Amino acid sequence: GEDVEQSLFLSVREGDSSVINCTYTDSSSTYLYWYKQEPGAGLQLLTYIFSNMDMKQDQRLTVLLNKKDKHLSLRIADTQTGDSAIYFCAVPNSGGYQKVTFGTGTKLQVIP
Amino acid sequence: EPEVTQTPSHQVTQMGQEVILRCVPISNHLYFYWYRQILGQKVEFLVSFYNNEISEKSEIFDDQFSVERPDGSNFTLKIRSTKLEDSAMYFCASRGQVPEAFFGQGTRLTVV
Repeated sequence: GEDVEQSLFLSVREGDSSVINCTYTDSSSTYLYWYKQEPGAGLQLLTYIFSNMDMKQDQRLTVLLNKKDKHLSLRIADTQTGDSAIYFCAVPNSGGYQKVTFGTGTKLQVIP
Repeated sequence: EPEVTQTPSHQVTQMGQEVILRCVPISNHLYFYWYRQILGQKVEFLVSFYNNEISEKSEIFDDQFSVERPDGSNFTLKIRSTKLEDSAMYFCASRGQVPEAFFGQGTRLTVV
């Protein structure tokens, strides 16, 4: 089955950029997601990128996709303390019903 | 913005009891999902539901689990005889034809 891996922890200073990385195994997904989970809360869809794109920018968020290396990254510019959360990369399977395999999650800690 | 709502937010139940977790997906969505997240672990796929039937299920989704869409709006997950290891956060999600899959805030199930 699909395997989605992320580093577990990232610490940045407020105002710096954060880059969260993800690798996956199934290259047939037509799009890939980034979700944010704040403590005790649900999964908030941040953004997604179609697999035929290399980059997508959405305000402070930039998603980069290297399909050849099966590598996805999420860059958060001007990171704020409110960005502290767990970030999940998520990859739908290639089947019609699109179940999603989540990565291990990266806990982002923003230091004031 | 439309949202997926789940009730209750927290359920405590005794081992062996039946529980029903409820979800109201976003109206006009067609695909419905349940996921769970055991504390500190990955978000895991349980089941997908489309056109009033299960379209895919994971190994976790054994005979103790069932899903139903009783009235065209609610989407429920029933666990017939809860075990301690069923303690987790359960997330409902829904998706339309577009890629965005929206998750609810989750129901924290504690089996004692």
